[in-house]
Amino acid sequence: NAGVMQNPRHLVRRRGQEARLRCSPVKGHSHVYWYRQLPEEGLKFMVYLQKENIIDESGMPKERFSAEFPKEGPSILRIQQVVRGDSAAYFCASSPLLAEYTGELFFGEGSRLTVL
Amino acid sequence: KNQVEQSPQSLIILEGKNCTLQCNYTVSPFSNLRWYKQDTGRGPVSLTIMTFSENTKSNGRYTATLDADTKQSSLHITASQLSDSASYICVVSERGSQGNLIFGKGTKLSVKP
Repeated sequence: NAGVMQNPRHLVRRRGQEARLRCSPVKGHSHVYWYRQLPEEGLKFMVYLQKENIIDESGMPKERFSAEFPKEGPSILRIQQVVRGDSAAYFCASSPLLAEYTGELFFGEGSRLTVL
Repeated sequence: KNQVEQSPQSLIILEGKNCTLQCNYTVSPFSNLRWYKQDTGRGPVSLTIMTFSENTKSNGRYTATLDADTKQSSLHITASQLSDSASYICVVSERGSQGNLIFGKGTKLSVKP
């Protein structure tokens, strides 16, 4: 399967714990995007990364959230000290070109975080 | 404020019938508009991508139209099938926004036998 791989698909955490979501983009894609989807809501942009660089993090909360896309390995979205409001589906997408320039965007199946 | 509004919120049709979903946007400056299909519990899958100069684009039984002057788009589904039951999401890209795509909330389509 050469698509975007996300894991875990489901994650349960208690308030105050840390959540780490992983995303392996399509092979050869250097642009990775993270989106959050609340129930009955549209996807909301969080962060856009290229290898080793955060390009746009304007949609990501300043506190507790961080993202990285290292030279080797998957992209990681990290949420520290989770709260109930962090419960959502987190989608990763990758593209070979900048999404703005009609680069086809390929989505993973999402990671569903539940905070108890 | 850049927004993407979709209508209707939900739609129920009989198998074999056609339907049209609407998308209005206020995103400016405009770069491109996409339609995605999202099955329940799955990630979105791209149906079409249109730039400013494109008025219509087809992908099998899906045909998208774009009127960049009125900032409206539609997605027409022909001869619906049960497998078309899903949410259809309109996504607009703002020129210069890098990866910050603006997503509509989607239209939830149910196709009944």
